[in-house]
Amino acid sequence: KAGVTQTPRYLIKTRGQQVTLSCSPISGHRSVSWYQQTPGQGLQFLFEYFSETQRNKGNFPGRFSGRQFSNSRSEMNVSTLELGDSALYLCASSLDGTSGKTQYFGPGTRLLVL
Amino acid sequence: DAKTTQPNSMESNEEEPVHLPCNHSTISGTDYIHWYRQLPSQGPEYVIHGLTSNVNNRMASLAIAEDRKSSTLILHRATLRDAAVYYCITPRRGSNYKLTFGKGTLLTVNP
Repeated sequence: KAGVTQTPRYLIKTRGQQVTLSCSPISGHRSVSWYQQTPGQGLQFLFEYFSETQRNKGNFPGRFSGRQFSNSRSEMNVSTLELGDSALYLCASSLDGTSGKTQYFGPGTRLLVL
Repeated sequence: DAKTTQPNSMESNEEEPVHLPCNHSTISGTDYIHWYRQLPSQGPEYVIHGLTSNVNNRMASLAIAEDRKSSTLILHRATLRDAAVYYCITPRRGSNYKLTFGKGTLLTVNP
């Protein structure tokens, strides 16, 4: 089975721009979660989608948004980029998103905001 | 999720067993114990999880204290590839996924 894929792998943007990141979960997985990882804050949960519905949201400003499509692929969008948004953005998929199931992470998208 | 406490770093020699501890003294009866690890420049990788009983899989063993206030991840024979940050997480049973990662333990494996 193919693993979780994320595109693009690397991205450079400037302040004020917006960015869209993509995640393709493992086939058959219906839950997709997004995380932000920075050296200062570590791994932080952004949001989780299941069957095209956002079920869970972390403590991030409204500039961070996401969506999930009927094939379970997900995108996250960050508008009006700030320098502090520079981070590794990780996507993870699981069968149904419940705590007893394994989450499988992708390699991440490294975003640099200049 | 219960707060977890792990040592910042540990060191091991190749081919030797490694015991990575995690304290989760406020854990409730409905919290799972999950372990993930993150190798350099990669996303986190699932290692093992359990609820009450000890668990074994091809990667590691998980020993859970009888009172569930602590657990130990056991790597039976460390290899250089096991050098990573190891995270202990306690998501609530039945809850939707929202993993809360702490700082984890940086494991260094010496050749």
